[in-house]
Amino acid sequence: EPEVTQTPSHQVTQMGQEVILRCVPISNHLYFYWYRQILGQKVEFLVSFYNNEISEKSEIFDDQFSVERPDGSNFTLKIRSTKLEDSAMYFCASSELTVGAFFGQGTRLTVV
Amino acid sequence: GENVEQHPSTLSVQEGDSAVIKCTYSDSASNYFPWYKQELGKRPQLIIDIRSNVGEKKDQRIAVTLNKTAKHFSLHITETQPEDSAVYFCAAETGANNLFFGTGTRLTVIP
Repeated sequence: EPEVTQTPSHQVTQMGQEVILRCVPISNHLYFYWYRQILGQKVEFLVSFYNNEISEKSEIFDDQFSVERPDGSNFTLKIRSTKLEDSAMYFCASSELTVGAFFGQGTRLTVV
Repeated sequence: GENVEQHPSTLSVQEGDSAVIKCTYSDSASNYFPWYKQELGKRPQLIIDIRSNVGEKKDQRIAVTLNKTAKHFSLHITETQPEDSAVYFCAAETGANNLFFGTGTRLTVIP
């Protein structure tokens, strides 16, 4: 069964550093998303991406965040200057239609 | 924006009993309601979903009901098994391509 894959599974970074989280969505999917989940809390929407542009973003997704689809398979989330409160599990998701998102296994980001 | 509330936060049931998790939403424009199961340290997995033009949907031991007038929807798991133990999240989507999640229900099925 096709899966969304994310790398790395765990990233530790120093505060103020830039990180790039990578995702390979399911190949025939057209809609891509990033969500985050702070430990023990609910999953929160960050951004959705369709047709090579952002279609929706939350208030969490401020200027320090950016997304990119650099080629036909990868979808990346860049955090420019990490803060302690950015520590969370980041999930990439993709869907064929506007509904029915399938999640990757997540990248645990720890900012120290 | 959409606000999804979920109850209870924890639920313990004996194996074989039924479990019911309830969610309410605030935005009447929401039209898609998926349920996700998340085992410890793993990804949320879509287990069932319902669209606003349907009142009930069933898939083996899992069913979801939707009351659009009251803006609430529920997950029903019958004949629970220990492997059903996980955190369950409800979500609502307004059609703007983003999911608003509830706060989760930790279900424990006691053998």
